[in-house]
Amino acid sequence: DVKVTQSSRYLVKRTGEKVFLECVQDMDHENMFWYRQDPGLGLRLIYFSYDVKMKEKGDIPEGYSVSREKKERFSLILESASTNQTSMYLCASSLGRMFGQYFGPGTRLLVL
Amino acid sequence: ILNVEQSPQSLHVQEGDSTNFTCSFPSSNFYALHWYRWETAKSPEALFVMTLNGDEKKKGRISATLNTKEGYSYLYIKGSQPEDSATYLCAFTNAGNMLTFGGGTRLMVKP
Repeated sequence: DVKVTQSSRYLVKRTGEKVFLECVQDMDHENMFWYRQDPGLGLRLIYFSYDVKMKEKGDIPEGYSVSREKKERFSLILESASTNQTSMYLCASSLGRMFGQYFGPGTRLLVL
Repeated sequence: ILNVEQSPQSLHVQEGDSTNFTCSFPSSNFYALHWYRWETAKSPEALFVMTLNGDEKKKGRISATLNTKEGYSYLYIKGSQPEDSATYLCAFTNAGNMLTFGGGTRLMVKP
């Protein structure tokens, strides 16, 4: 079974802090994704990566950056957290566009 | 940002009822349409990926159809059970590799 893990289930940070959300998958998937989920807005794509050191902006990349130094790990970085980044963050991976995505359990981030 | 819409937003049905909901998406540059099931306190789980106009997929009591020319997909659940209660998400991929999710249909099945 594919396993996608995220470093934290719950996280509380203060405005202005730098925040790292880590995601690791164990199935050698090429593609990895970061989403945020907010009530009434569904899942929105922040960034995705189709290979090591490659990244593409999704629909809402502002205020975020990503890092993919190794195939299995995709990190989401909030350089200076703001209260409007309070959300549920979901990581996913897939073999390719023709395949379904496997999601991690999510990280619920609260920025005070 | 691609426009992917799902209707209805929420649905209450009785156990044993059959139900269906809709996902509409842009009909140009189509590559694939995904359906996911998302139970509360769990991660979204892939149900189907469909790529060809006229595709039909089935998994137990759940099935889906695809019309790429007019830009819609239907998800059907036959004989709904309480364990079918979840949010059902569709996601559209275009030729540019962007995956855009719809807002989801929240299904609640009453025993």
